[in-house]
Amino acid sequence: EIVLTQSPATLSSSPGERATLSCRASQIITSFLAWYQQKPGQAPRLLIYDTSNRATAVPARFSGSGSGTDFTLTISSLEPEDFAVYYCQLRYNWPPRVTFGQGTRLEIK
Amino acid sequence: QVQLQESGPGLVKPSETLSLTCTISGASVNSPGYYWSWIRQTPGKGLEWIGYIYYNGNTNYSPSLKSRVTISADPSKNQLSLKLISVTAADTAVYYCARGKGGPEDFWGQGTLVTVSS
Repeated sequence: EIVLTQSPATLSSSPGERATLSCRASQIITSFLAWYQQKPGQAPRLLIYDTSNRATAVPARFSGSGSGTDFTLTISSLEPEDFAVYYCQLRYNWPPRVTFGQGTRLEIK
Repeated sequence: QVQLQESGPGLVKPSETLSLTCTISGASVNSPGYYWSWIRQTPGKGLEWIGYIYYNGNTNYSPSLKSRVTISADPSKNQLSLKLISVTAADTAVYYCARGKGGPEDFWGQGTLVTVSS
């Protein structure tokens, strides 16, 4: 089973700064990696799918990249509403399965 | 706009069966190409995929829950259901239903908290 490890567990940043969140897979994976944002009391919101494609209505300051085992979510210039928990998710076709990383909490410094 | 709403008992006794319903609006549970997931979230384990059902009724389950879980759909009511048998305190979580199509889940319900306790 593929394990996704996110780092750091907590990232402290300030509005206007660039944030880089990492998701590392325990083995080489395909491009079916997604990123979600979750705010307290809310369901996760899809940000990025297939490694680098922004979901509908997601601002351009969010971008995804990576290949092999290392994937990154970058927020180019943090807005106050971006402080939340971020999860990466892997979907694989065979066996059909979905797995999540443990999350990175992005907090205001 | 697609909307998903989970419902069911908020408290279940240990060893009993957890049963939840997800009512779908703005989309049909049997629309070709779609799948419908159940995902849960606990403070200790984060997000955990439970399983999903395709528009054609095919299902896939998490290996760790497969022996206890059933996901089904009722097109006449446009609802999704989750049954988890023999629950323990470890099954206490917020349970979400969500929709996907050819990729990750893009619409989620608000979630419903289920506590397993006597």
